[in-house]
Amino acid sequence: DTAVSQTPKYLVTQMGNDKSIKCEQNLGHDTMYWYKQDSKKFLKIMFSYNNKELIINETVPNRFSPKSPDKAHLNLHINSLELGDSAVYFCASSQDLGGFLDTQYFGPGTRLTVL
Amino acid sequence: GDSVTQMEGPVTLSEEAFLTINCTYTATGYPSLFWYVQYPGEGLQLLLKATKADDKGSNKGFEATYRKETTSFHLEKGSVQVSDSAVYFCALYNNNDMRFGAGTRLTVKP
Repeated sequence: DTAVSQTPKYLVTQMGNDKSIKCEQNLGHDTMYWYKQDSKKFLKIMFSYNNKELIINETVPNRFSPKSPDKAHLNLHINSLELGDSAVYFCASSQDLGGFLDTQYFGPGTRLTVL
Repeated sequence: GDSVTQMEGPVTLSEEAFLTINCTYTATGYPSLFWYVQYPGEGLQLLLKATKADDKGSNKGFEATYRKETTSFHLEKGSVQVSDSAVYFCALYNNNDMRFGAGTRLTVKP
């Protein structure tokens, strides 16, 4: 069973479109994250979220928004896609919000290409 | 700001060779340090971690020692296997911020 899953694995879309990437974890964790891996392979955290607190990296444009229908899901919604949004996006989860010291479990990534 | 620099790959080794992947960091205060591994087609997995100076993290034959004096956290393994082929990421956590290195691709040939 996959612990953290993301869909779709690949997403190709036009500039200006709105798209969502879904993430689900079956670990019973309280906290989920979104990371962006840029062209130089650096991973940068975008959001961390549990049912109590949303922490947003201040460098993330407000076109990006996390949406959590329940504790097991944290979807990433992106409005008005731009060329620079092309990247691989990773979802992750951990037991606690302060859980960078905990084991974080990562999904396989979603490669987004904006044309 | 804080940053992590790791050696560029790709690294290609023969089975049973000794592995070192260098990682250095820049950070204020006392960050925690991590190595993550990404096997083909899978997500990142935590390999090992160290939370304070002189701590040694170890797992699956891999080791890394938190060296504050040299601001380093080099990953080592005495004898690599084909199954160790993956991308390895060094990372630090400091002040509620997680930073990753660019990753180093390791290929182990039989």
